[in-house]
Amino acid sequence: NAGVTQTPKFRVLKTGQSMTLLCAQDMNHEYMYWYRQDPGMGLRLIHYSVGEGTTAKGEVPDGYNVSRLKKQNFLLGLESAAPSQTSVYFCASSLAGGANTGELFFGEGSRLTVL
Amino acid sequence: GENVEQHPSTLSVQEGDSAVIKCTYSDSASNYFPWYKQELGKRPQLIIDIRSNVGEKKDQRIAVTLNKTAKHFSLHITETQPEDSAVYFCAASLSGSARQLTFGSGTQLTVLP
Repeated sequence: NAGVTQTPKFRVLKTGQSMTLLCAQDMNHEYMYWYRQDPGMGLRLIHYSVGEGTTAKGEVPDGYNVSRLKKQNFLLGLESAAPSQTSVYFCASSLAGGANTGELFFGEGSRLTVL
Repeated sequence: GENVEQHPSTLSVQEGDSAVIKCTYSDSASNYFPWYKQELGKRPQLIIDIRSNVGEKKDQRIAVTLNKTAKHFSLHITETQPEDSAVYFCAASLSGSARQLTFGSGTQLTVLP
């Protein structure tokens, strides 16, 4: 079991460029999430999905788009990167609602730098 | 929405001493409170969690206490060891699951040998 895997691990972009981060999970989880982690600000939710074909906005969605065409994959897109999007991005997945469904399983993170 | 404040932002303790990290939340409807540990350069991992129908939960050297009236919860680590050095995040959820988690800003714990 690989768990949650993210690609790429590192990326440097110039302002205005676009890119897509890919997240894949092999645990058959219904819910998937994209967080960004910045120093002193904890983990902030960008977008999430409660099932294949669904997406929803989190706390900081501006400048990002997502898609969940397959249950196991959750893509995060930056259409026109800005320096403020320099961050470490974590994908996570979890079971659907109900008892014992609180645990987030994180990927290893993707460090993005926008120049 | 929910707001979670975490203190202190940094904490240094001598090996063998206890460490306490505190969090407060704003929405009295929050009902699920997990703690995550993130070692340097690694992914966050769940170490313990508590639901609102319980006041305290313990797992070996770590424990979490919840005070719903005051809207705060705390992580207690006893007999600290160097491998406890990490960033710890608290979180609160309105849904009872991971779907609506709001994280605190994190505490860098350093255990000095």
